Amino acid sequence: QQQVKQSPQSLIVQKGGISIINCAYENTAFDYFPWYQQFPGKGPALLIAIRPDVSEKKEGRFTISFNKSAKQFSLHIMDSQPGDSATYFCAAHRGSTLGRLYFGRGTQLTVWP
Amino acid sequence: SQTIHQWPATLVQPVGSPLSLECTVEGTSNPNLYWYRQAAGRGLQLLFYSVGIGQISSEVPQNLSASRPQDRQFILSSKKLLLSDSGFYLCAWRTPSINIQYFGAGTRLSVL
Repeated sequence: QQQVKQSPQSLIVQKGGISIINCAYENTAFDYFPWYQQFPGKGPALLIAIRPDVSEKKEGRFTISFNKSAKQFSLHIMDSQPGDSATYFCAAHRGSTLGRLYFGRGTQLTVWP
Repeated sequence: SQTIHQWPATLVQPVGSPLSLECTVEGTSNPNLYWYRQAAGRGLQLLFYSVGIGQISSEVPQNLSASRPQDRQFILSSKKLLLSDSGFYLCAWRTPSINIQYFGAGTRLSVL
């Protein structure tokens, strides 16, 4: 059973546009929500993360919006650049599970110049 | 600073051969360690995790096994590889008090 559902599976955005990736979860015990960025042939790297008591977190061009009541969170990439082309994973952490992260299936983002 | 090493980066193995992938972490002690597999175009599947030497938890029953002989060393093994074992294997670690997992560069395994 997929604990974190991510959409879309793939996304094509024009350079300078806004990329939006959405995730949803059911388990209210999740207490931390990171996003990872993965380039081809590389391991995922932490991009940005948020706790459920915060509705928005911004780091540069990357923003997480968090809706606790709807159990949804999303990643917004402003002014998307070709260098942002990568696979993005959302994840959720549950404190009692020894650090286990539950990952979404990933979104392959392509930014056209 | 902490670093994680995985090797080899690429491996091509025949069906039925054994497997040993190694992961080591530097710059920290008593990390939680994780093995993931990523099939082509798919998400991350947690295979094993460990909270200490000799302590291994398995998430998915299969012909793979893991061991943690030292505090910062995590090994993924198989006695006989299957075609379905092909994939991108990732090791990750975290400090128990922090919710962030850090990934290694991965091993691309092709079983032919």
